[in-house]
Amino acid sequence: QSVLTQSPSPSGTPGQRVTISCSGSSSNIGRNYVHWYQQLPRMAPKLVICRNDERPSGVPDRFSGSKSGTSASLAISGLRSEDEADYYCAAWDDSLSGLMFGGGTKLTVL
Amino acid sequence: QVQLVQSGAEVKKPGASVKVSCKASGYTFTNYYLHWVRQAPGQGLEWMGWINPDSGDTNYAQKFRGWVTMTRDTSINTAYMELSRLRSDDTALYYCARDRGGLLLLYYFDYWGQGSLVTVSS
Repeated sequence: QSVLTQSPSPSGTPGQRVTISCSGSSSNIGRNYVHWYQQLPRMAPKLVICRNDERPSGVPDRFSGSKSGTSASLAISGLRSEDEADYYCAAWDDSLSGLMFGGGTKLTVL
Repeated sequence: QVQLVQSGAEVKKPGASVKVSCKASGYTFTNYYLHWVRQAPGQGLEWMGWINPDSGDTNYAQKFRGWVTMTRDTSINTAYMELSRLRSDDTALYYCARDRGGLLLLYYFDYWGQGSLVTVSS
């Protein structure tokens, strides 16, 4: 069981907006930054959101992140077929003294 | 451009050890922490630890202490991850990843290697 719990796999049609959530606790999300990775099939993960809501250079502004209390969310607007991937949240956990990943959420674009 | 190129697939027997390499190029190797992350088939990501390529200092996730060793060779800009006493559930894709913070640990990763598949089977 992951320390960070991600929402079930959503689906959407092109152009729609979807949200993926990540729930943790006071020892991880509650005190530390959340980062999000996109993993396309058979590829290495790619950073899409860092420090809760910052977009690295080159990541489309369709991707946005937010955090409130012990939960965080990744939103993707204007859904495109190439957004179909697994998404992982990550945060440092002070109690476990380690970086924790969520279990992953598979986004399907219909 | 920044690249992390990892060694090829390995097949090992239970109880053996494996050493995976990660060769960096396109940036100053000693200026960025490197992490190792693994992914079992069809499963999620699991952080294993980091190495400071400048000092050689390491920090391992609690789960891996005592059976993982991370080293580096600055003369060839290469980091290594060695896992001992392999079990079948160590079968996974092992990634190296560069910390975006340079020598300031930020625990998020801007460049990843392509992954090295380690299969443990008798």
